[in-house]
Amino acid sequence: SYELTQPPSVSVSPGQTASISCSGDKWGDEFVCWYQQKPGQSPVLVIYQDTKRPSGIPERFSGSKSGNTATLTISGTQTMDEADYYCQAWGTGLWVFGSGTKVTVL
Amino acid sequence: QVQLVESGGGVVQPGRSLRLSCAASGFIFSDYSMHWVRQAPGKGLEWVTVIASDGSNKYYADSVMGRFTISRDNSRDTLYLQMNTLRPEDTAVYYCSKDSGVSGMDYWGQGVLVTVSS
Repeated sequence: SYELTQPPSVSVSPGQTASISCSGDKWGDEFVCWYQQKPGQSPVLVIYQDTKRPSGIPERFSGSKSGNTATLTISGTQTMDEADYYCQAWGTGLWVFGSGTKVTVL
Repeated sequence: QVQLVESGGGVVQPGRSLRLSCAASGFIFSDYSMHWVRQAPGKGLEWVTVIASDGSNKYYADSVMGRFTISRDNSRDTLYLQMNTLRPEDTAVYYCSKDSGVSGMDYWGQGVLVTVSS
């Protein structure tokens, strides 16, 4: 099976930078995307194709990928960024989500 | 604006069936692949299934293979998920989502709760 591993939690102070890693055990050329999910709400796409931001997503959200690890970075984190974040990749006939990371802003 | 509205959830006994629907609007439904993604209470996201824009290709997660069937009616802009032989572990909020066509799912419905319990 194909698995994406994320840290369960990340804590960050307001205005600081939060980084969330996503490690794949079978990375190929798959694109990675990232979703933000706040309690009681549906997920929102914040990064696609490893590094691109959809329209309406603040510039403080950025993505990168190197080797078998993708990273979501939130620069100048705001209290509204407190949420669960999931990475996701797609292979032939298979879409996989990471285990999720809870970002706490305190 | 893009809207995805799921319906058909509820409480069902183990072994029984349920069909979910997802009504789409605000985009050309027949141009995009569509997904179902679920989230068990307090757990993470789990991809369930995807269907190509014309319905020609379908893929399933191992956990639902042989029990769930995805389909679509492009004349009605509606996506379906037929769930048979339901198990307690299928209890979750089920979301329909639109594939962006490039990478990722760019729009999601509000989700519908399915509870499998005797």
